[in-house]
Amino acid sequence: GAVVSQHPSWVICKSGTSVKIECRSLDFQATTMFWYRQFPKQSLMLMATSNEGSKATYEQGVEKDKFLINHASLTLSTLTVTSAHPEDSSFYICSARDRDREYQETQYFGPGTRLLVL
Amino acid sequence: GENVEQHPSTLSVQEGDSAVIKCTYSDSASNYFPWYKQELGKRPQLIIDIRSNVGEKKDQRIAVTLNKTAKHFSLHITETQPEDSAVYFCAASRRPRGNNRLAFGKGNQVVVIP
Repeated sequence: GAVVSQHPSWVICKSGTSVKIECRSLDFQATTMFWYRQFPKQSLMLMATSNEGSKATYEQGVEKDKFLINHASLTLSTLTVTSAHPEDSSFYICSARDRDREYQETQYFGPGTRLLVL
Repeated sequence: GENVEQHPSTLSVQEGDSAVIKCTYSDSASNYFPWYKQELGKRPQLIIDIRSNVGEKKDQRIAVTLNKTAKHFSLHITETQPEDSAVYFCAASRRPRGNNRLAFGKGNQVVVIP
């Protein structure tokens, strides 16, 4: 149980295009999902917290107009990198909390999406 | 906010020996402490977690200890095997009150030498 998927697993795009990444909880309902960014050999940097049916909460320094988050249902959150530039190239990982577990703190991670902007 | 420090940054051990990674945290209100294992290019996987109402938890070769007074917690891996080689992240957070966030340490590269 507690499986999280992401799509696509990797994407290469031209500078200036927008890229959408999907995060799905496959066997549980997630009222809260998190989006992280990870650079090579570095830790996970939280970008934003996504809540079903409401606006995402962005961390300081993360541009909300650049990284659009939509949490449309209890099993799906999307991150759209708008007008992507080479500096946006990174490994993007989502995580989700299972609202029905006794302890709801646990976050389950997706497999990540590797974005390369040319 | 919470600040989690993780030491050492790199740890090499001989196969069969034990590995210990220590993390310290700053927020005394934190009460949930998970450990994640991340292999190269893969997702972080939860391997063990502990809540502040217990001081130790064990799962086969893996154990975690918590010292609330000193605000540190440690991951212990016994009888290490090559497949234990990975980056290990510790984290800390409060029990869910709205959007509780996990504060991650910088990670520890564990290398098990066959």
